[in-house]
Amino acid sequence: GENVEQHPSTLSVQEGDSAVIKCTYSDSASNYFPWYKQELGKRPQLIIDIRSNVGEKKDQRIAVTLNKTAKHFSLHITETQPEDSAVYFCAARAITQGGSEKLVFGKGTKLTVNP
Amino acid sequence: ETGVTQTPRHLVMGMTNKKSLKCEQHLGHNAMYWYKQSAKKPLELMFVYNFKEQTENNSVPSRFSPECPNSSHLFLHLHTLQPEDSALYLCASSQAPSGVSDTQYFGPGTRLTVL
Repeated sequence: GENVEQHPSTLSVQEGDSAVIKCTYSDSASNYFPWYKQELGKRPQLIIDIRSNVGEKKDQRIAVTLNKTAKHFSLHITETQPEDSAVYFCAARAITQGGSEKLVFGKGTKLTVNP
Repeated sequence: ETGVTQTPRHLVMGMTNKKSLKCEQHLGHNAMYWYKQSAKKPLELMFVYNFKEQTENNSVPSRFSPECPNSSHLFLHLHTLQPEDSALYLCASSQAPSGVSDTQYFGPGTRLTVL
């Protein structure tokens, strides 16, 4: 089945710097890769996603890149701000035992942006 | 933030108690999920329901019993739990089959403490 590895587990940057979080996946059939942000005490929320027919997607300060050949995808946050501090999860879509779909999540990256 | 709701938000129970967690989605989705979130395994998929049918049981102990009476409601019945079951239990929903709109939306979670 699908396996998603996420690195680093913790990341500390200075305000204004860039942050990069990387994930690898194992199932070449996976075709959808969302990123979720979870602030302390809150629910995970989708911040950006990418499909396998696209190599890069950008939304203001956030971008995601996908390398299908190498089976890895990355989240890039530029001009980081203290409110970017949170745990970020990557995920890859996989097929369940019953033939429907599910997301397999990485273990998360705790990002701290220091003022 | 009201698309997926969960009750109760906090629950403390003894090992011999029986309780139920409830999830309701108001997004017109037909796939629903239970996740367990703890320090050891940040986002661990437990069950997947697709059009009310269970399509994934991720080797979850039988002391957790899910129920999905319709596409809008999902329950997790708990009995004879162990202290290590203490965690945040998150419900999510999505549109199935996936395609244009396959984002999973999470509820706020139930913080469960087993004494």
